[in-house]
Amino acid sequence: EAGVAQSPRYKIIEKRQSVAFWCNPISGHATLYWYQQILGQGPKLLIQFQNNGVVDDSQLPKDRFSAERLKGVDSTLKIQPAKLEDSAVYLCASSFPGSSYNEQFFGPGTRLTVL
Amino acid sequence: GDSVTQMEGPVTLSEEAFLTINCTYTATGYPSLFWYVQYPGEGLQLLLKATKADDKGSNKGFEATYRKETTSFHLEKGSVQVSDSAVYFCALSGSSGGSNYKLTFGKGTLLTVNP
Repeated sequence: EAGVAQSPRYKIIEKRQSVAFWCNPISGHATLYWYQQILGQGPKLLIQFQNNGVVDDSQLPKDRFSAERLKGVDSTLKIQPAKLEDSAVYLCASSFPGSSYNEQFFGPGTRLTVL
Repeated sequence: GDSVTQMEGPVTLSEEAFLTINCTYTATGYPSLFWYVQYPGEGLQLLLKATKADDKGSNKGFEATYRKETTSFHLEKGSVQVSDSAVYFCALSGSSGGSNYKLTFGKGTLLTVNP
């Protein structure tokens, strides 16, 4: 079974530029999560989708971050314009709802450096 | 809100030593508890879980017991190997019920095992 795919793996941009990350979850997984992991910290949820609807985006900085999952499969996270403090690893995870604890499977992440 | 506090690292041990990484949590409801592991260059992987009080999760020689009275979920292994070198994250989810299974992570503990 293929895992969660993310691209690109690395991205370096100047501040005020825009950037987009892509995630393809495990086939059949209805729930998709985007996490931000700043160096030295644990991942923090940015947004959770159930199919193509948003379940939780309370910690998404909506003035600069946006995310979509138009067909309920793959998803794109965008930052525009980027700030220095956005330097982090962006993790995508997916899960198959219905289990008692809803195990999340993580992709390898995209490491963003903002200069 | 929910929070997880885990032992600060880094932790350096010799092969075959005993490992304990402390984790305590704050949650309003009845969360599920997890340990995730991140090996160098790889994504987060679920190591073990416990979904209710007094449950013991175990995998690959690692164990953790869900202690509601002390709000703890300490990770232990009787004899570590060099291959256990990684960053370990304690996490919780599901305390608020409903369909929001977002994970709340601790900051992570870097473990290095020397031969």
